Amino acid sequence: DTAVSQTPKYLVTQMGNDKSIKCEQNLGHDTMYWYKQDSKKFLKIMFSYNNKELIINETVPNRFSPKSPDKAHLNLHINSLELGDSAVYFCASSPDGGAYEQYFGPGTRLTVT
Amino acid sequence: DQQVKQNSPSLSVQEGRISILNCDYTNSMFDYFLWYKKYPAEGPTFLISISSIKDKNEDGRFTVFLNKSAKHLSLHIVPSQPGDSAVYFCAASPSGAGSYQLTFGKGTKLSVIP
Repeated sequence: DTAVSQTPKYLVTQMGNDKSIKCEQNLGHDTMYWYKQDSKKFLKIMFSYNNKELIINETVPNRFSPKSPDKAHLNLHINSLELGDSAVYFCASSPDGGAYEQYFGPGTRLTVT
Repeated sequence: DQQVKQNSPSLSVQEGRISILNCDYTNSMFDYFLWYKKYPAEGPTFLISISSIKDKNEDGRFTVFLNKSAKHLSLHIVPSQPGDSAVYFCAASPSGAGSYQLTFGKGTKLSVIP
């Protein structure tokens, strides 16, 4: 029974396209996140979100936007894809109340050609 | 500016011996530290954590040590097993505002040789 799931696992698309990555968690957590792991293997926070607050990493281009239809889902929309967007994107979740341990999904490998 | 540094990209250890993975941080606001383990094509999995009010936390074969004055922490795995072969990420977080924000190191790839 998967705790944090992402679809698709692989995504290949052309520059300029708009794409979405879906994330769902069945842990009952209140906070969800998106991370980007680039070619240098750094895992960098992009967004953290709960029903009260969206925190955006200031380095994230506004072409990236999280959308949460409900507490269990946080989708990532990317407009006008660029070559530099190629990376592995991880969704994660954690309980609210300042708990630090985050539970990660399996990742989505995005390749922009 | 890397606020969390794992200076060893890889480490090889014989099965049964101790594995020691190191992590340094620069941000004095960090007061909670975590280790994650990652297998290929999977997401990181939480392994063990430590608060800055402690200097040691143990969970089975895994022990994390924290030296606040040196801004250094280490993960000890003993005895090491082939299934421990993975990439290990050190992560840190401040408390209070921004506590949701984990800052990760670049990872150390551990290979346990049978």
